[in-house]
Amino acid sequence: GDSVTQTEGLVTVTEGLPVKLNCTYQTTYLTIAFFWYVQYLNEAPQVLLRSSTDNKRTEHQGFHATLHKSSSSFHLQKSSAQLSDSALYYCALAGNTRKLIFGLGTTLQVQP
Amino acid sequence: EAAVTQSPRNKVTVTGGNVTLSCRQTNSHNYMYWYRQDTGHGLRLIHYSYGAGNLQIGDVPDGYKATRTTQEDFFLLLELASPSQTSLYFCASSSGTGVYEQYFGPGTRLTVL
Repeated sequence: GDSVTQTEGLVTVTEGLPVKLNCTYQTTYLTIAFFWYVQYLNEAPQVLLRSSTDNKRTEHQGFHATLHKSSSSFHLQKSSAQLSDSALYYCALAGNTRKLIFGLGTTLQVQP
Repeated sequence: EAAVTQSPRNKVTVTGGNVTLSCRQTNSHNYMYWYRQDTGHGLRLIHYSYGAGNLQIGDVPDGYKATRTTQEDFFLLLELASPSQTSLYFCASSSGTGVYEQYFGPGTRLTVL
């Protein structure tokens, strides 16, 4: 079946340094779209990035991700982490069933 | 942007009790979803619906019923609540045409004692 893997449960980074959150996937669908959701403490998940185009970089709020179908990956990166980036991040894929397949999530902690 | 509201925001009940969680969306979306969120398990889909009167089984449906009464309203029912159902519950909606993005409500924290 379809699955999304986020290998790190917790990523800790020092403010100002780059950060990368990993996301790989397996799917039998002609996958329609990929998302990164961010969930701040005591808030609902919200979309951070979305993509459906292979090898095209998408950016928002200083974060960027590129869908690579050749390696089944959609990693999230930022060149300079901020304290306000501390949150729970979910990678998700959308097939043709109108369901989102979520990874287990990665907690990003940015330290001063 | 879609507006999704949930009530109550917090609920405490006892084992064996009946609980109804409510969700309303006001952007004429076709699809609505119920998730539970637990540490170490992420977001897990309980039930979803693509319109009034329709119900689709999600990935963790045991112990839960759901009903979509109108396009706007989707309810999650726990008829014999158990401590294992203590969780943070999110409702979400999506348009069902073209855009696959789901918009989440603020969540309901349920504690079963």
